[in-house]
Amino acid sequence: EADIYQTPRYLVIGTGKKITLECSQTMGHDKMYWYQQDPGMELHLIHYSYGVNSTEKGDLSSESTVSRIRTEHFPLTLESARPSHTSQYLCASSARTGGNTEAFFGQGTRLTVV
Amino acid sequence: KNQVEQSPQSLIILEGKNCTLQCNYTVSPFSNLRWYKQDTGRGPVSLTIMTFSENTKSNGRYTATLDADTKQSSLHITASQLSDSASYICVVSDRGSTLGRLYFGRGTQLTVWP
Repeated sequence: EADIYQTPRYLVIGTGKKITLECSQTMGHDKMYWYQQDPGMELHLIHYSYGVNSTEKGDLSSESTVSRIRTEHFPLTLESARPSHTSQYLCASSARTGGNTEAFFGQGTRLTVV
Repeated sequence: KNQVEQSPQSLIILEGKNCTLQCNYTVSPFSNLRWYKQDTGRGPVSLTIMTFSENTKSNGRYTATLDADTKQSSLHITASQLSDSASYICVVSDRGSTLGRLYFGRGTQLTVWP
């Protein structure tokens, strides 16, 4: 079982609200990621981080923002939620061992904006 | 363009039967390929990893193959169980960046019926 945690698991929130999705890992991994996944669709990278104070946008444009003040913590924030933000958000961290990269995923946060 | 394509999109089989899932990729330069299992509402969990020099690898009832020349991989599930019902995602990693970039397929949704 990977030591990466996301909270909340489910969130239903009204349009215009500010929300923060939490992600923490206890494996000491430098690299962390946020993916967005709609039902039946592939995971899309929206943010990633190489380490503390390092954040980059991913392939899929997202109105969310992230921060990486501590190695173990990588929260994602939506300043003003909209129905188009309804999706599943998966956090992951990775380690490169022996030349191979393995990603460990959290349980995900299913966000519904009404 | 680096892509990962999986087939079939969905599959229904009876408990005890075998099945094979396919993955074609165009990711270059290739580092490794992983098959992940994603249960509904949960994060993906790694099943197997295949590197360039490996042709086949087994993990219990799961056997993955890799043909690096044709850029194809398959995941064979033997004697299926109800708990095998999940989405199976093919993930290819490149070695062209320090990120060890991951490319995800859309997944094959497997349903095992009693």
